[in-house]
Amino acid sequence: DSGVTQTPKHLITATGQRVTLRCSPRSGDLSVYWYQQSLDQGLQFLIQYYNGEERAKGNILERFSAQQFPDLHSELNLSSLELGDSALYFCASNRDTSTDTQYFGPGTRLTVL
Amino acid sequence: SQKIEQNSEALNIQEGKTATLTCNYTNYSPAYLQWYRQDPGRGPVFLLLIRENEKEKRKERLKVTFDTTLKQSLFHITASQPADSATYLCALVDSSASKIIFGSGTRLSIRP
Repeated sequence: DSGVTQTPKHLITATGQRVTLRCSPRSGDLSVYWYQQSLDQGLQFLIQYYNGEERAKGNILERFSAQQFPDLHSELNLSSLELGDSALYFCASNRDTSTDTQYFGPGTRLTVL
Repeated sequence: SQKIEQNSEALNIQEGKTATLTCNYTNYSPAYLQWYRQDPGRGPVFLLLIRENEKEKRKERLKVTFDTTLKQSLFHITASQPADSATYLCALVDSSASKIIFGSGTRLSIRP
């Protein structure tokens, strides 16, 4: 158990809908990262927050947005969902920003029908 | 273009042998490189980190090497066991963009 929690574990929704994924980092960790993992794309970095501020951006679509709240939990919002958005979404956290060593949550499996 | 590549094929090893996984990168100058283990449907788990000024790092049955001239890291599991079967991911931080990039992973199977 990494100490990172993600909810929900599974999400099934329809195209065009909007969903919110939630992540709570390990106690004391200020950084939160979001990743998308699909079978054909591998683990893709989406976005990083550090202590409430956006720190780095990867291949995040404009339909996706994220934020980190004062209590350090983070939410990833996915809108206008398409079939291709079906994937595992992982959150990771760390406190050592000099090395970016990351502790991953169990993931949210999103299925878009 | 920038690339990070791992053994594209799955690796099948006899129990007790040493498994060696490769990670090659192009057009990056990482200060360090990380290795993670991922089991099906679960989040990656951090294993080892090696810095650019370190040639080798060990942890129990794991050994990682880092050759910045060859732009390559090797990950070894000695005395391999069926429980080592998983996908192994290498990752580096692109210092120019301050973001972490993961390789596509190598699936390792250890047969009894």
